[in-house]
Amino acid sequence: QVQLQESGPGLVKPSETLSLTCTVSSGSISSYYWNWIRQPPGKGLEWIGYIYYRGNTNYNPSLKSRVTISIDTSKKQFSLKLTSVTAADTAVYYCVRAHPVRGGPSWFDYWGQGTLVTVSS
Amino acid sequence: DIQMTQSPSSLSASVGDRVTITCQASQDISNSLNWYQQEPGKAPKLLIYDATNLETGVPSRFSGSGSGTDFTFTISSLQPEDIATYYCQQYDNLPRTFGQGTKLDIK
Repeated sequence: QVQLQESGPGLVKPSETLSLTCTVSSGSISSYYWNWIRQPPGKGLEWIGYIYYRGNTNYNPSLKSRVTISIDTSKKQFSLKLTSVTAADTAVYYCVRAHPVRGGPSWFDYWGQGTLVTVSS
Repeated sequence: DIQMTQSPSSLSASVGDRVTITCQASQDISNSLNWYQQEPGKAPKLLIYDATNLETGVPSRFSGSGSGTDFTFTISSLQPEDIATYYCQQYDNLPRTFGQGTKLDIK
């Protein structure tokens, strides 16, 4: 059973950088797309971006200028950095696995439990 | 971006009822459509992929249909444990996008 676990600070100050890491256990990190998805309190789901195990990335244009996703296959970890955060970035952040279809992520089949990141001074 | 519009936004039904949620894409996405269930305080769970395929371990009372721009998610006989918010999601184009969600509760 694949398990994903997010880790990182739960509180970030405005204008600073949000950094999260996802550790993948009990499964291979190869041959899948690894994603970050967020959900502001009481709102819907927003896809942030993905990294393929080979290092290819793609980001949501709404966040592209502030987002970096990286991967360390030897540690079975991938990470999210979001710069210049504001209160609008307060959300539960999920790390998620997706199956590859036609060169991109398709269905999101394994999710981390999510971690709430609050942006506040 | 492809816009995904779900209806209704919320729904109350009785145990045993047949429940239907629709999802409309702003352009043709073929069958590149998935459905998720999110219970309060939990991560979403994949129920249906490729519009009609039931994920392993998901009860058969859940089903999906449709292609192109119009999709339907059905619970054939509502159970108390089905109380959740349901989301559709397209993977035809980047960025991947979700519907706004349908909150389902018991009458």
